[in-house]
Amino acid sequence: AQSVTQLDSQVPVFEEAPVELRCNYSSSVSVYLFWYVQYPNQGLQLLLKYLSGSTLVKGINGFEAEFNKSQTSFHLRKPSVHISDTAEYFCAVSDRGNRDDKIIFGKGTRLHILP
Amino acid sequence: DTGVSQDPRHKITKRGQNVTFRCDPISEHNRLYWYRQTLGQGPEFLTYFQNEAQLEKSRLLSDRFSAERPKGSFSTLEIQRTEQGDSAMYLCASSSRDYRRQETQYFGPGTRLLVL
Repeated sequence: AQSVTQLDSQVPVFEEAPVELRCNYSSSVSVYLFWYVQYPNQGLQLLLKYLSGSTLVKGINGFEAEFNKSQTSFHLRKPSVHISDTAEYFCAVSDRGNRDDKIIFGKGTRLHILP
Repeated sequence: DTGVSQDPRHKITKRGQNVTFRCDPISEHNRLYWYRQTLGQGPEFLTYFQNEAQLEKSRLLSDRFSAERPKGSFSTLEIQRTEQGDSAMYLCASSSRDYRRQETQYFGPGTRLLVL
């Protein structure tokens, strides 16, 4: 069975500072990896996804993530955050070989941007 | 493309009542998913449809829950005899699946249910 661990439930960071949100996954099979963002009272929006190829994935709003197979990690980074990045961020995994495309989510990391 | 829509956005009900939620996927998306998100948790898979066929149901989906997708377009999720533990955000997502690879799931804004 797959699982996702987001190591930090909350991350405070000053505006214009860099941020890293950590994500580790466990799976016995090959996986697809995702980061979703959820703004207050809204649904989930895809930030980026890793399907294959380059391990460095660039997404929307200046975010990027690096897939590290040996460490089973998929950490999300942004070099300079903005107040509008305040949201909850979910790391997620999906079994590459399973046709149901079911997504397993982590518990989320709430990003607080401090002025 | 207007995105995935869900109705209602909020629902307050008394324990024991039945509720029904609707999801309209992105047009021509053949896959439709339901997830449940409780406070402080990530979304959890409930069930999904390929066109009108319901192909998998999570063990989270008790007998009080039923989902349909007639004609392979919109979907409804009904909860009978609601319990306080059913209070959550119910999220719908849709995707266009072919034989090659997984496609992005696009999520709706969710329906927040509060059972008193």
